[in-house]
Amino acid sequence: DTEVTQTPKHLVMGMTNKKSLKCEQHMGHRAMYWYKQKAKKPPELMFVYSYEKLSINESVPSRFSPECPNSSLLNLHLHALQPEDSALYLCASSQGTEDYNEQFFGPGTRLTVL
Amino acid sequence: AQKITQTQPGMFVQEKEAVTLDCTYDTSDPSYGLFWYKQPSSGEMIFLIYQGSYDQQNATEGRYSLNFQKARKSANLVISASQLGDSAMYFCAMREGFSGGYNKLIFGAGTRLAVHP
Repeated sequence: DTEVTQTPKHLVMGMTNKKSLKCEQHMGHRAMYWYKQKAKKPPELMFVYSYEKLSINESVPSRFSPECPNSSLLNLHLHALQPEDSALYLCASSQGTEDYNEQFFGPGTRLTVL
Repeated sequence: AQKITQTQPGMFVQEKEAVTLDCTYDTSDPSYGLFWYKQPSSGEMIFLIYQGSYDQQNATEGRYSLNFQKARKSANLVISASQLGDSAMYFCAMREGFSGGYNKLIFGAGTRLAVHP
């Protein structure tokens, strides 16, 4: 299994809703990442987990809350989002043993905040 | 600070011809790595090729090759024999160190490639 899966594919939510994005990989990778990508822009790193511990938080607003329940699963909890948070949210994973390990990306969740 | 520059917002190429996508970088770290990713309209980022700063030879992966010129700080992607399925956005990214078992990537702005029949 060489893929990263993300659910849901699309999500529409109001500013008062609470929702979660889910990411899963079964490649035994020890590093997992959340990116945010606005239209026609490159991905922007949000969070990195390494060996199930939060290693990087790129000054992301607290309305985004990551969680890594185990080495295969990564969640992103969303609460009180703003319309400008509408974007494609990409999850990625990497083996984490060598500096040349590439990141494998999931298909993303397209989020619309009304 | 590390920086990646892709100066071509859009490129087009005829099917079966070769095309070069430009990427320049800036870093003071002697150890670094450069990745190229393809992003079709579906959104998924697909890894294409990697070049390490200490690699002696240019990386190649099938129809993809990397023209790595260290002194010029450039890592251009060459796609040979273009196919219609190559139409996508292409991102160059640089690894910012490697610690704690993860790679932090800095992405360029991207180049949108259109392959014409």
